Amino acid sequence: DGGITQSPKYLFRKEGQNVTLSCEQNLNHDAMYWYRQDPGQGLRLIYYSQIVNDFQKGDIAEGYSVSREKKESFPLTVTSAQKNPTAFYLCASSMVAGDVYEQYFGPGTRLTVT
Amino acid sequence: DAKTTQPPSMDCAEGRAANLPCNHSTISGNEYVYWYRQIHSQGPQYIIHGLKNNETNEMASLIITEDRKSSTLILPHATLRDTAVYYCIVRDILTGGGNKLTFGTGTQLKVEL
Repeated sequence: DGGITQSPKYLFRKEGQNVTLSCEQNLNHDAMYWYRQDPGQGLRLIYYSQIVNDFQKGDIAEGYSVSREKKESFPLTVTSAQKNPTAFYLCASSMVAGDVYEQYFGPGTRLTVT
Repeated sequence: DAKTTQPPSMDCAEGRAANLPCNHSTISGNEYVYWYRQIHSQGPQYIIHGLKNNETNEMASLIITEDRKSSTLILPHATLRDTAVYYCIVRDILTGGGNKLTFGTGTQLKVEL
């Protein structure tokens, strides 16, 4: 089955700890994205990567970091500098060639920091 | 990026057509309109996209007005499983490829018996 996997589905952490969210895709997509969603709100772009070993800040990158060492993987680290880390985090991927660029989303990780 | 405006909520009877409107009055000539939906606590799911012409696929139809300032997503025979938040998005193309999708708050569609 081709798709995007995110793990774990639920994650609990104490305030002040860094936490890394996993995102893996087997769609052979070049681009990968991380979004954050707060209750009742739309998705906001945190970071994106269009090629291995390169990534760009989205609209709300402060307090987050990413890496893209492999095409299939785009982990997101929520650092202790992120003031309101509790949220639903979604990973997506897409092609970069052509004109359509449909994004495929993973099932999400719900992070709770107390 | 162009801003979209959608009603916050709509109801539809099961088996009837659900027509979800979207205004995108500042859209430019080469910008696509995308529709996604999100069932509670899941990742968004792509539905359909269009540029100028009306489009249809197995999930829905997309009607875009001639001036491209608004569009309507049509689910021809809504079922309970279509209950979700529907997002209308005008995409930005990223330099180097890929999309920037700016999600608003969407329309909560509730399909009832």
